[in-house]
Amino acid sequence: QKEVEQNSGPLSVPEGAIASLNCTYSDRGSQSFFWYRQYSGKSPELIMFIYSNGDKEDGRFTAQLNKASQYVSLLIRDSQPSDSATYLCAVNEANTGNQFYFGTGTSLTVIP
Amino acid sequence: EAGVAQSPRYKIIEKRQSVAFWCNPISGHATLYWYQQILGQGPKLLIQFQNNGVVDDSQLPKDRFSAERLKGVDSTLKIQPAKLEDSAVYLCASSWDIGTDTQYFGPGTRLTVL
Repeated sequence: QKEVEQNSGPLSVPEGAIASLNCTYSDRGSQSFFWYRQYSGKSPELIMFIYSNGDKEDGRFTAQLNKASQYVSLLIRDSQPSDSATYLCAVNEANTGNQFYFGTGTSLTVIP
Repeated sequence: EAGVAQSPRYKIIEKRQSVAFWCNPISGHATLYWYQQILGQGPKLLIQFQNNGVVDDSQLPKDRFSAERLKGVDSTLKIQPAKLEDSAVYLCASSWDIGTDTQYFGPGTRLTVL
């Protein structure tokens, strides 16, 4: 079982719609969870992080964490063509000495 | 605030040759990470430094890869000898501290092994 799993997609949504990206992780001791966006040929850039169960909102982005079910999700409201990218979920696992694991990423295309 | 710097940006070598990558983290960041990202995959952590000490190198292929962070600032990652499967983007990232802190990535070095 992979440490962090994401649906690779591709996920396509029309402009203005809500995009929903999901991530599951295997280590129950994981403490922090990150969503990165990576444009083709570029390095990952942080969108947001979440540490506690529940929702965290930042502009058009909402991260949701459910530690009991071991999943974290990212919602993008009012999706724009500029949101088209690969979204990487990263998890910090305390049980492995704070090692970071990334998922393989979900490719999102927002159709104008 | 200057970002994470890496060089070179691109490198093409033949298999069995050696190559080295350099990273300069954001000023003041104690933790430095090297990742390997193969096309279509997420970044894979190779090694993690806290100041000039190694925190985790469990996924570093130590028979051919080595890394150092002298004086707790700049870092170099070396591959010797390179294999075809080492073709990837090598990303350096840094953060203020270990663990839950946000990582900031450099532009990466794209390595092609022929």
